[in-house]
Amino acid sequence: DAGVIQSPRHEVTEMGQEVTLRCKPISGHNSLFWYRQTMMRGLELLIYFNNNVPIDDSGMPEDRFSAKMPNASFSTLKIQPSEPRDSAVYFCASSLGRADNGYTFGSGTRLTVV
Amino acid sequence: GNSVTQMEGPVTLSEEAFLTINCTYTATGYPSLFWYVQYPGEGLQLLLKATKADDKGSNKGFEATYRKETTSFHLEKGSVQVSDSAVYFCAPSSSGGSYIPTFGRGTSLIVHP
Repeated sequence: DAGVIQSPRHEVTEMGQEVTLRCKPISGHNSLFWYRQTMMRGLELLIYFNNNVPIDDSGMPEDRFSAKMPNASFSTLKIQPSEPRDSAVYFCASSLGRADNGYTFGSGTRLTVV
Repeated sequence: GNSVTQMEGPVTLSEEAFLTINCTYTATGYPSLFWYVQYPGEGLQLLLKATKADDKGSNKGFEATYRKETTSFHLEKGSVQVSDSAVYFCAPSSSGGSYIPTFGRGTSLIVHP
């Protein structure tokens, strides 16, 4: 299995631009999670999906952030408009069944907003 | 809600030294306990887990024992290698509701040759 695949690996964009991050979970996994990692705040859960349905988006920082999962093999996290404080590494993770089976993380997208 | 306390480090050791990274937690219900490792430039990887009291999780020479009475899950390795240099995260997962793990701030480990 290729694991959780995220794209792009790096993204540099100007403030105000729209940014879309992509994730392909492991085939057969039915839960998907988006995390943000920064030095200041550590690892933050933004949103998670179960069977393609958003279950908890209370971690999404603002209305500028949105996430979709149109099918079991694809999810996007969009930031519109982007701001410098959104600069972080964004991780996608997937799991099979209950989350206490453990997550598989992608390699992350390093976002820099200038 | 859940919370995790682990030393932030960095923990600096020489190769072949003994490693302990302490982790204590508070959690609702009867959580499963995890250690994840993050190598530079990569995502977190599941290192080991334990799902009930007195269970010992182990992998790649690392071990941790679920201590319910002290709500702890300390990570140990008898002889570290340079390749173990990474950030280690302790994460309890609540037994009720969504089972989403709570990640600590992580402990950076640096192993010198």
